[in-house]
Amino acid sequence: GAVVSQHPSWVICKSGTSVKIECRSLDFQATTMFWYRQFPKQSLMLMATSNEGSKATYEQGVEKDKFLINHASLTLSTLTVTSAHPEDSSFYICSARDGGKDTQYFGPGTRLTVL
Amino acid sequence: GENVEQHPSTLSVQEGDSAVIKCTYSDSASNYFPWYKQELGKGPQLIIDIRSNVGEKKDQRIAVTLNKTAKHFSLHITETQPEDSAVYFCAAGFGNEKLTFGTGTRLTIIP
Repeated sequence: GAVVSQHPSWVICKSGTSVKIECRSLDFQATTMFWYRQFPKQSLMLMATSNEGSKATYEQGVEKDKFLINHASLTLSTLTVTSAHPEDSSFYICSARDGGKDTQYFGPGTRLTVL
Repeated sequence: GENVEQHPSTLSVQEGDSAVIKCTYSDSASNYFPWYKQELGKGPQLIIDIRSNVGEKKDQRIAVTLNKTAKHFSLHITETQPEDSAVYFCAAGFGNEKLTFGTGTRLTIIP
């Protein structure tokens, strides 16, 4: 149980285009999902907290207009990187919290490369 | 806010020996302490967690201890195997709030 999927697993795009990443909880309802960014050999950096049916809460320094988050259902959250640039290249990972519990389960991550 | 420190940053142990990774946290309100294992190119995998009403928890070769007074918790891996090689992250949180992660420990098991 407690499986979280992400799609795509990797994506290469041209500078200036937008990329959408999906995060799904497969066997539980996730009232809260989190989006992280991870640079090589570094820890996870929380970008935003996404609650179903409400606006996401962004961490300080994260541009909400550049990283659009939509948590449309209890099993799906999406992250759209708008007008991507090479500096947005990174490993993006989502996690989902099972209902009212405090346990977070992570997805497998999405490697974004912007040319 | 919460601050989590993790040590060591790298750790090499002989196969079969034990490995210990330690974390300290700053916010005494934190009551949930998970440990994650991350293999190269993959997302973190929850391996064990502990809550503040428990001092120790064990799952086969993995154990976690918590000292709330000193605000530190540790991961213990016994009888290490090559497949234990990965990066391990500790984290601390309170209730439904976000988790704060440590900086990670790269564990290498030497055959």
